[in-house]
Order: sequence, then structure tokens, then C-alpha cells
Amino acid sequence: AQSVTQPDIHITVSEGASLELRCNYSYGATPYLFWYVQSPGQGLQLLLKYFSGDTLVQGIKGFEAEFKRSQSSFNLRKPSVHWSDAAEYFCAVDSWGKLQFGAGTQVVVTP
Amino acid sequence: GAVVSQHPSRVICKSGTSVKIECRSLDFQATTMFWYRQFPKQSLMLMATSNEGSKATYEQGVEKDKFLINHASLTLSTLTVTSAHPEDSSFYICSTRGEASVRYNEQFFGPGTRLTVL
Repeated sequence: AQSVTQPDIHITVSEGASLELRCNYSYGATPYLFWYVQSPGQGLQLLLKYFSGDTLVQGIKGFEAEFKRSQSSFNLRKPSVHWSDAAEYFCAVDSWGKLQFGAGTQVVVTP
Repeated sequence: GAVVSQHPSRVICKSGTSVKIECRSLDFQATTMFWYRQFPKQSLMLMATSNEGSKATYEQGVEKDKFLINHASLTLSTLTVTSAHPEDSSFYICSTRGEASVRYNEQFFGPGTRLTVL
């Protein structure tokens, strides 16, 4: 069965520092992968997506993610974090027409 | 991305009453809408998938008689929680998907509805 794993439940990062959120998937074919961000009490906003082609994907708000088939990973990165990046981040994979979400990573940004 | 609205954003009701949540696709025709449930500090769990004009398909473990879904038009889907109980308290989120997004299952999410059952 397909699955998505986000190993880090909680990450604390200083403002201005770099951020990397890990996502590993288990999927038999070429996966369609997504990263979403959820601010407190809000719905999900799509940060970026990977369907095919260039394995380095640029998204909104300065985020990027790299698809590595050999490692079954789709890690999200941002070079310099802003206080407004504090939120919950979800990795998701399309699984037979349904989105399967990881457990999420809570990002806390300190001054 | 597409704009999706939900109404109400928050609702508090008494145990035993029914609550209706609306999900609207504001700027494109959503052939498919999804309903998710999210418990505090947890991920989203898909409850059901609805296609316009058809009966919803519920995920295993979701009571279809308790969570009534209607997708009567390409821009509106409703979720009715019938005879709500405190354990139904949760954050309910809808998402939409148009024909152009079917292949990659790109979904656009509403802001969510916080349901509290007293």
C-alpha cells in the first residue's frame, strides 16, 4: 500500500536560518507529490507539486523541493525562514485518485 | 489556484442536532469534491469523494447515514452531520478538483469549518 512518512513531527528554526522538511513515500509507480502548508485554523495551501520532469521544483513563498527517486524522498527546503513560515506542513502523494497525507511537521520559528 | 469557500467557518451546536456545511468552488467547475476530517494536531483523513450528480463514495469506516454529502451542482457540495455528538467535533475541510486536474489529482482546499458539539 502507498504511504507517506514525515519523520519530523516538530522542527524549531531561527528566523533567517535554512529549513528542510523531510518526506518519504512508498509508491510503486511515478508518484504525483505535493507539499501543502496549513496555518492555524486554516485550510491547506499548495506550496508546490511534482508530476514529472525537472526533479527540483520551485514553489511559492520561496520554497523548493527535490524529488529523489533513488531515496523515495521529496524534501522541502527554504534557504531563509521568515516568522510567517511558522505553520504545519504536509506532504501528500496521489494514491489512485486520492491524496494520502503524511502526519505533518509543525514548524516553529524563533526570533 | 482555484478559490474554494466554506460556510460556516465555525459552528457550535447541541448534541443531537444536525449541522450543514457548505463548500463552494468560486471560480471553476468542480466535477469532484472531497471532504476531509482533521483532528487536532493530526493529519487530514479523507471521508468521502463526491462527483457532481452522483452519490458520494465514502471511505471505510465513515458512516454514510451520519455524514450526508450532496453535490448537486458543479460549484456546490454540502456535508450534513446528522444527530451530531461530541465525538463529531472536528475540523472539516473540503477540496475541489476540476477536469483539468484529474490526471494529477491536484486539489484546491477550502479554509475549513470548525465544528464543536456540546
